[in-house]
Amino acid sequence: EVQLVESGGGLVKPGGSLRLSCAASGFTFRSYTMNWVRQAPGKGLEWISSISSSDTYIYYADSVEGRFTISRDNAKNSLSLQMNSLRAEDTAVYYCVREVEVAGILWFDPWGQGTLVTVSS
Amino acid sequence: SYDLTQPPSVSVSPGQTASITCSGDKLGDKFPSWSQQKPGQSPVVVIYQNNKRPSGIPERFSGSISGNTVTLTISGTQAGDEADYYCQAWDSSNACWVFGGGTKLTVL
Repeated sequence: EVQLVESGGGLVKPGGSLRLSCAASGFTFRSYTMNWVRQAPGKGLEWISSISSSDTYIYYADSVEGRFTISRDNAKNSLSLQMNSLRAEDTAVYYCVREVEVAGILWFDPWGQGTLVTVSS
Repeated sequence: SYDLTQPPSVSVSPGQTASITCSGDKLGDKFPSWSQQKPGQSPVVVIYQNNKRPSGIPERFSGSISGNTVTLTISGTQAGDEADYYCQAWDSSNACWVFGGGTKLTVL
């Protein structure tokens, strides 16, 4: 069974840092692009970052560029998100998501269960 | 930036057909997908490549495209289909994924 399990969320003060992790299992992790998507309370989905299978391509949403860093360890089947200079508006559930690609067609499947990050003093 | 537009809400009676639209410039060229998010749960893909269903997704779910608008259609809607539905697409021009604002489906 394909599974993504996030960890590392919690309460952090504005300006602080937090590192999220995602443990992948049930598939060949090193073959897939991975993403982080967040959802603020009561709001919609917001894509924030993507990393290709071998780190060649890394992309960020403007809202987190320069503050967040995505990385992966293919030997450990692990995805990470280092979040610095956190703001109240970063408060959200953060999802780890696998990106599937077939003949150039892309979609997300599956999503992890999410981990809640709360930025508050 | 690239935008995807969805209606905030759609209501349907049980057993009827629900249609949820998503519009964006040249959206059909981007092969968008649809995800379902039930309250308190993570999203689940229900349609990809405009009209393909992953295994385990009922045939009641289908997708179509007309011009710059894609439509998620749920036939014989059930109470268990109540959820938020999001369309999404990869914007290659800006190297980012884009989500629509989401549509809350209510089965009355």
